[in-house]
Amino acid sequence: DQQVKQNSPSLSVQEGRISILNCDYTNSMFDYFLWYKKYPAEGPTFLISISSIKDKNEDGRFTVFLNKSAKHLSLHIVPSQPGDSAVYFCAAIGDSGGYQKVTFGTGTKLQVIP
Amino acid sequence: DAGVTQSPTHLIKTRGQHVTLRCSPISGHKSVSWYQQVLGQGPQFIFQYYEKEERGRGNFPDRFSARQFPNYSSELNVNALLLGDSALYLCASSLPGQTGYTFGSGTRLTVV
Repeated sequence: DQQVKQNSPSLSVQEGRISILNCDYTNSMFDYFLWYKKYPAEGPTFLISISSIKDKNEDGRFTVFLNKSAKHLSLHIVPSQPGDSAVYFCAAIGDSGGYQKVTFGTGTKLQVIP
Repeated sequence: DAGVTQSPTHLIKTRGQHVTLRCSPISGHKSVSWYQQVLGQGPQFIFQYYEKEERGRGNFPDRFSARQFPNYSSELNVNALLLGDSALYLCASSLPGQTGYTFGSGTRLTVV
């Protein structure tokens, strides 16, 4: 049962344009949502998070939007830079019998073309 | 300030063998979680330990076990290795109440 889904396995964007990465979830009890960025041969790096009580969180070039009614969140990167090329994972945190369990999506590979 | 460190970085094992993977969390972090990432998939939760006690376990067989030591470092053990256990094994640590987990670079396990 894939509770967190990233339906686009890859995305190509021109440098300077906006990158929009999407994520859908099925469990309405998730408390927080996070985005991680992963380069090859490295562990995932935390980018930005949003609480389930918010609908937007912004940090520099990165903005995450949460639409609870649609169970959908998105990460906007503006402007996109070649160094942003990586795999992006959406993740959700929920209480699972006394501990905070993190559930990851399958990832979207972003390529920013110079 | 050292991040989450994992050892070894790469490992090749034969089917049926067992393996021990190690993780040292960020200083001050008492919670350690283990994840398995198969190629093309997102990380899958295996275990979470806090203050040396198992707090959560994912949908993995009993061949997978872990423990946390008094210094908060952790080991993941996998017995009777199968080809399907080939994956990147990630360790993450966090502070209580912290929403962003810090991951190590992982151990790439190949079972042949």
